[in-house]
Amino acid sequence: NAGVTQTPKFQVLKTGQSMTLQCAQDMNHEYMSWYRQDPGMGLRLIHYSVGAGITDQGEVPNGYNVSRSTTEDFPLRLLSAAPSQTSVYFCASAPTIAGVLSRQYFGPGTRLTVL
Amino acid sequence: QKEVEQDPGPLSVPEGAIVSLNCTYSNSAFQYFMWYRQYSRKGPELLMYTYSSGNKEDGRFTAQVDKSSKYISLFIRDSQPSDSATYLCAMSAPGGTSYGKLTFGQGTILTVHP
Repeated sequence: NAGVTQTPKFQVLKTGQSMTLQCAQDMNHEYMSWYRQDPGMGLRLIHYSVGAGITDQGEVPNGYNVSRSTTEDFPLRLLSAAPSQTSVYFCASAPTIAGVLSRQYFGPGTRLTVL
Repeated sequence: QKEVEQDPGPLSVPEGAIVSLNCTYSNSAFQYFMWYRQYSRKGPELLMYTYSSGNKEDGRFTAQVDKSSKYISLFIRDSQPSDSATYLCAMSAPGGTSYGKLTFGQGTILTVHP
Protein backbone atom coordinates (compact mmCIF):
# COMPACT_ATOMS: atom_id res chain seq x y z
CA ASN A 1 0.00 0.00 0.00
CA ALA A 2 1.18 3.52 -0.81
CA GLY A 3 -0.80 4.90 2.15
CA VAL A 4 -1.67 8.58 1.87
CA THR A 5 -0.08 10.40 -1.06
CA GLN A 6 -0.04 14.13 -1.74
CA THR A 7 0.92 16.12 -4.81
CA PRO A 8 2.66 18.39 -5.43
CA LYS A 9 5.38 18.37 -2.75
CA PHE A 10 6.16 22.05 -3.31
CA GLN A 11 4.24 24.88 -4.95
CA VAL A 12 4.74 28.61 -5.39
CA LEU A 13 1.73 30.72 -6.34
CA LYS A 14 1.10 34.37 -6.94
CA THR A 15 -1.63 36.18 -5.03
CA GLY A 16 -4.99 35.59 -6.69
CA GLN A 17 -4.06 32.35 -8.45
CA SER A 18 -6.07 29.22 -7.86
CA MET A 19 -4.85 25.67 -7.55
CA THR A 20 -5.77 22.22 -6.30
CA LEU A 21 -3.76 20.16 -3.83
CA GLN A 22 -4.25 16.46 -4.47
CA CYS A 23 -4.65 13.77 -1.83
CA ALA A 24 -5.24 10.08 -2.38
CA GLN A 25 -5.33 7.03 -0.12
CA ASP A 26 -5.44 3.34 -1.01
CA MET A 27 -6.54 1.98 2.36
CA ASN A 28 -10.30 2.27 1.73
CA HIS A 29 -10.66 4.68 4.65
CA GLU A 30 -13.99 6.43 5.00
CA TYR A 31 -12.60 9.45 6.80
CA MET A 32 -10.26 11.98 5.19
CA SER A 33 -9.17 15.43 6.28
CA TRP A 34 -6.97 18.41 5.47
CA TYR A 35 -4.81 20.29 7.98
CA ARG A 36 -2.48 23.22 7.70
CA GLN A 37 0.62 23.58 9.84
CA ASP A 38 2.10 26.97 10.68
CA PRO A 39 5.02 27.74 13.01
CA GLY A 40 3.88 27.86 16.63
CA MET A 41 0.30 26.87 15.70
CA GLY A 42 0.36 23.09 15.54
CA LEU A 43 -1.97 21.57 12.96
CA ARG A 44 -5.36 23.13 12.31
CA LEU A 45 -8.24 21.34 10.62
CA ILE A 46 -9.45 22.91 7.36
CA HIS A 47 -12.08 20.49 6.02
CA TYR A 48 -12.93 16.87 6.53
CA SER A 49 -15.06 14.14 4.98
CA VAL A 50 -16.70 11.10 6.58
CA GLY A 51 -17.39 9.41 3.25
CA ALA A 52 -17.87 9.96 -0.46
CA GLY A 53 -20.25 12.86 -1.06
CA ILE A 54 -20.05 14.12 2.55
CA THR A 55 -17.82 17.01 3.62
CA ASP A 56 -17.79 19.49 6.48
CA GLN A 57 -15.82 22.47 7.71
CA GLY A 58 -13.09 22.40 10.29
CA GLU A 59 -11.48 25.19 12.28
CA VAL A 60 -10.07 27.29 9.41
CA PRO A 61 -12.17 26.67 6.24
CA ASN A 62 -12.21 30.16 4.70
CA GLY A 63 -10.58 30.37 1.29
CA TYR A 64 -10.65 26.60 0.71
CA ASN A 65 -13.08 24.24 -1.00
CA VAL A 66 -13.27 20.46 -0.97
CA SER A 67 -15.29 17.72 -2.59
CA ARG A 68 -15.28 13.95 -2.20
CA SER A 69 -16.53 12.12 -5.25
CA THR A 70 -14.67 8.87 -4.53
CA THR A 71 -13.46 7.10 -1.38
CA GLU A 72 -9.84 7.38 -2.55
CA ASP A 73 -9.50 11.09 -3.39
CA PHE A 74 -9.99 14.27 -1.41
CA PRO A 75 -8.67 17.34 -3.26
CA LEU A 76 -8.30 20.75 -1.60
CA ARG A 77 -8.93 23.81 -3.77
CA LEU A 78 -7.57 27.26 -3.11
CA LEU A 79 -9.93 29.65 -4.88
CA SER A 80 -7.84 32.83 -4.85
CA ALA A 81 -4.52 32.36 -3.10
CA ALA A 82 -3.43 34.86 -0.45
CA PRO A 83 -0.07 35.22 1.35
CA SER A 84 -1.84 34.13 4.58
CA GLN A 85 -2.28 30.70 2.97
CA THR A 86 1.46 30.13 2.88
CA SER A 87 1.78 26.98 4.95
CA VAL A 88 2.46 23.26 4.94
CA TYR A 89 -0.67 21.27 4.12
CA PHE A 90 -1.24 17.72 5.34
CA CYS A 91 -3.89 15.30 4.25
CA ALA A 92 -4.92 12.45 6.57
CA SER A 93 -7.18 9.44 6.42
CA ALA A 94 -8.57 7.11 9.04
CA PRO A 95 -10.67 3.97 9.24
CA THR A 96 -13.74 3.67 11.41
CA ILE A 97 -13.97 0.60 13.60
CA ALA A 98 -17.37 -0.21 15.12
CA GLY A 99 -18.42 3.34 14.37
CA VAL A 100 -15.44 4.85 16.17
CA LEU A 101 -12.80 6.80 14.30
CA SER A 102 -9.43 5.12 14.64
CA ARG A 103 -5.89 6.41 14.13
CA GLN A 104 -5.27 8.99 11.44
CA TYR A 105 -2.56 8.37 8.83
CA PHE A 106 -0.89 11.49 7.48
CA GLY A 107 0.56 12.15 4.07
CA PRO A 108 4.02 13.69 3.51
CA GLY A 109 2.70 17.23 3.09
CA THR A 110 2.65 19.98 0.45
CA ARG A 111 4.69 23.11 1.07
CA LEU A 112 2.86 26.09 -0.40
CA THR A 113 4.23 29.60 -0.75
CA VAL A 114 2.00 32.44 -1.91
CA LEU A 115 3.85 35.55 -3.07
CA GLN B 1 -6.91 30.97 25.10
CA LYS B 2 -6.19 27.90 23.00
CA GLU B 3 -8.07 24.69 23.74
CA VAL B 4 -4.78 22.77 23.92
CA GLU B 5 -1.56 24.26 25.25
CA GLN B 6 1.83 22.68 24.73
CA ASP B 7 5.23 24.10 25.63
CA PRO B 8 7.02 24.50 22.29
CA GLY B 9 10.46 24.09 23.86
CA PRO B 10 12.91 23.56 22.32
CA LEU B 11 14.00 20.79 24.66
CA SER B 12 17.55 19.43 24.51
CA VAL B 13 18.60 16.37 26.52
CA PRO B 14 21.55 13.98 26.58
CA GLU B 15 21.20 10.46 25.26
CA GLY B 16 19.75 8.12 27.88
CA ALA B 17 17.76 10.82 29.69
CA ILE B 18 14.11 10.52 30.61
CA VAL B 19 12.04 13.02 28.66
CA SER B 20 8.72 14.42 29.86
CA LEU B 21 6.40 16.16 27.42
CA ASN B 22 3.13 17.72 28.54
CA CYS B 23 -0.10 19.26 27.33
CA THR B 24 -2.95 20.94 29.13
CA TYR B 25 -6.41 21.41 27.74
CA SER B 26 -9.61 23.25 28.57
CA ASN B 27 -12.35 21.26 26.79
CA SER B 28 -13.76 18.71 29.24
CA ALA B 29 -15.44 16.86 26.32
CA PHE B 30 -12.12 15.50 25.07
CA GLN B 31 -12.02 11.73 25.53
CA TYR B 32 -9.39 10.56 23.03
CA PHE B 33 -5.77 11.58 23.52
CA MET B 34 -2.92 11.04 21.12
CA TRP B 35 0.76 11.76 20.76
CA TYR B 36 2.25 12.18 17.30
CA ARG B 37 5.91 12.31 16.34
CA GLN B 38 6.96 14.43 13.38
CA TYR B 39 10.41 14.30 11.86
CA SER B 40 11.65 17.31 9.94
CA ARG B 41 9.80 17.79 6.64
CA LYS B 42 7.66 14.69 7.19
CA GLY B 43 4.04 14.07 8.10
CA PRO B 44 3.07 13.29 11.72
CA GLU B 45 2.97 9.62 12.74
CA LEU B 46 0.95 8.26 15.62
CA LEU B 47 2.93 7.18 18.68
CA MET B 48 0.33 6.64 21.37
CA TYR B 49 -3.47 6.57 21.49
CA THR B 50 -5.38 6.50 24.76
CA TYR B 51 -9.02 6.71 25.70
CA SER B 52 -10.10 8.58 28.84
CA SER B 53 -7.85 8.56 31.93
CA GLY B 54 -4.99 6.26 32.84
CA ASN B 55 -1.60 5.11 31.64
CA LYS B 56 -0.50 3.31 28.52
CA GLU B 57 2.95 1.90 27.90
CA ASP B 58 4.59 0.92 24.61
CA GLY B 59 8.27 0.07 24.80
CA ARG B 60 10.18 3.16 25.93
CA PHE B 61 7.08 5.36 25.68
CA THR B 62 4.46 5.92 28.38
CA ALA B 63 1.38 8.10 27.96
CA GLN B 64 -0.54 9.40 30.95
CA VAL B 65 -3.92 11.10 31.02
CA ASP B 66 -5.28 12.93 34.07
CA LYS B 67 -8.74 14.15 33.11
CA SER B 68 -9.40 15.67 36.51
CA SER B 69 -6.48 18.04 35.96
CA LYS B 70 -6.96 18.25 32.17
CA TYR B 71 -3.33 17.26 31.73
CA ILE B 72 -1.61 14.67 29.57
CA SER B 73 2.01 13.56 29.46
CA LEU B 74 4.34 11.52 27.31
CA PHE B 75 7.44 10.01 28.91
CA ILE B 76 10.35 8.70 26.86
CA ARG B 77 12.79 6.46 28.73
CA ASP B 78 16.38 5.91 27.64
CA SER B 79 16.07 8.60 24.98
CA GLN B 80 17.99 8.11 21.74
CA PRO B 81 19.22 10.55 19.09
CA SER B 82 16.64 8.97 16.77
CA ASP B 83 13.94 10.36 19.11
CA SER B 84 14.87 13.89 18.00
CA ALA B 85 11.68 15.24 16.43
CA THR B 86 8.69 17.43 17.11
CA TYR B 87 6.11 15.84 19.40
CA LEU B 88 2.49 16.90 19.03
CA CYS B 89 -0.32 16.13 21.40
CA ALA B 90 -3.80 15.83 19.89
CA MET B 91 -7.26 15.34 21.33
CA SER B 92 -10.80 14.75 20.20
CA ALA B 93 -14.27 14.46 21.62
CA PRO B 94 -16.58 11.54 20.81
CA GLY B 95 -19.29 11.65 18.17
CA GLY B 96 -21.72 14.30 17.00
CA THR B 97 -20.29 17.51 15.63
CA SER B 98 -16.88 16.66 17.10
CA TYR B 99 -16.52 13.41 15.14
CA GLY B 100 -13.10 13.16 13.56
CA LYS B 101 -11.94 16.61 14.59
CA LEU B 102 -8.49 16.53 16.12
CA THR B 103 -7.27 19.53 18.09
CA PHE B 104 -3.48 19.72 18.22
CA GLY B 105 -1.05 21.37 20.58
CA GLN B 106 1.67 23.58 19.14
CA GLY B 107 4.27 20.81 19.26
CA THR B 108 7.48 20.46 21.30
CA ILE B 109 10.81 20.30 19.49
CA LEU B 110 13.03 17.66 21.11
CA THR B 111 16.72 17.13 20.45
CA VAL B 112 18.58 14.20 21.99
CA HIS B 113 22.32 14.67 21.69
CA PRO B 114 24.83 11.82 21.87
